[in-house]
Amino acid sequence: RKEVEQDPGPFNVPEGATVAFNCTYSNSASQSFFWYRQDCRKEPKLLMSVYSSGNEDGRFTAQLNRASQYISLLIRDSKLSDSATYLCVVKNGPNAGGTSYGKLTFGQGTILTVHP
Amino acid sequence: NAGVTQTPKFQVLKTGQSMTLQCAQDMNHEYMSWYRQDPGMGLRLIHYSVGAGITDQGEVPNGYNVSRSTTEDFPLRLLSAAPSQTSVYFCASSPQGAGGYGYTFGSGTRLTVV
Repeated sequence: RKEVEQDPGPFNVPEGATVAFNCTYSNSASQSFFWYRQDCRKEPKLLMSVYSSGNEDGRFTAQLNRASQYISLLIRDSKLSDSATYLCVVKNGPNAGGTSYGKLTFGQGTILTVHP
Repeated sequence: NAGVTQTPKFQVLKTGQSMTLQCAQDMNHEYMSWYRQDPGMGLRLIHYSVGAGITDQGEVPNGYNVSRSTTEDFPLRLLSAAPSQTSVYFCASSPQGAGGYGYTFGSGTRLTVV
């Protein structure tokens, strides 16, 4: 079983749609959680961190459920420019031990295409 | 502020050649990592470093060496290139291990081994 699993999609949605991505992680040493966005042939860029209380950044809402080891990203009012691959990322905490502390593990990514 | 700089952006190697992929960051970040990205495989960790003089292996370290003599630089060496090492390589850095600090990525090196 992969440490971080995402539905690879692809998701094809019209402009204005709401779309949700899910992610599960298996490593109990995971401490910090992120969503990254990667455009075609570009580097991943941090979209937002994810907190247990849930957090929102404009049209984007992220949720974390530590008990279920589940992370989600909701995009409202989708724009053409939201088309990208969305990567779920977890970071090891101090209980991972040694140099594993701070190490990132990536999901395979979910492809989103927003069409007119 | 340049962030994370990777060179070269593109490289073609012949099987058996060696080369070094350069990575430098000017943000005084302690943590640095190398990833490779292949279609259908996602980003896989090759080697990482939690500070100058400290490195460790990631998920796919075979065929690669790293060193971290300074905080700023984290070069990745391919010892004897193989076609299986054809990939896109990303270097990334982060301020520290704790908390919600994400990693900043370089723009990548596209390597083809023929």
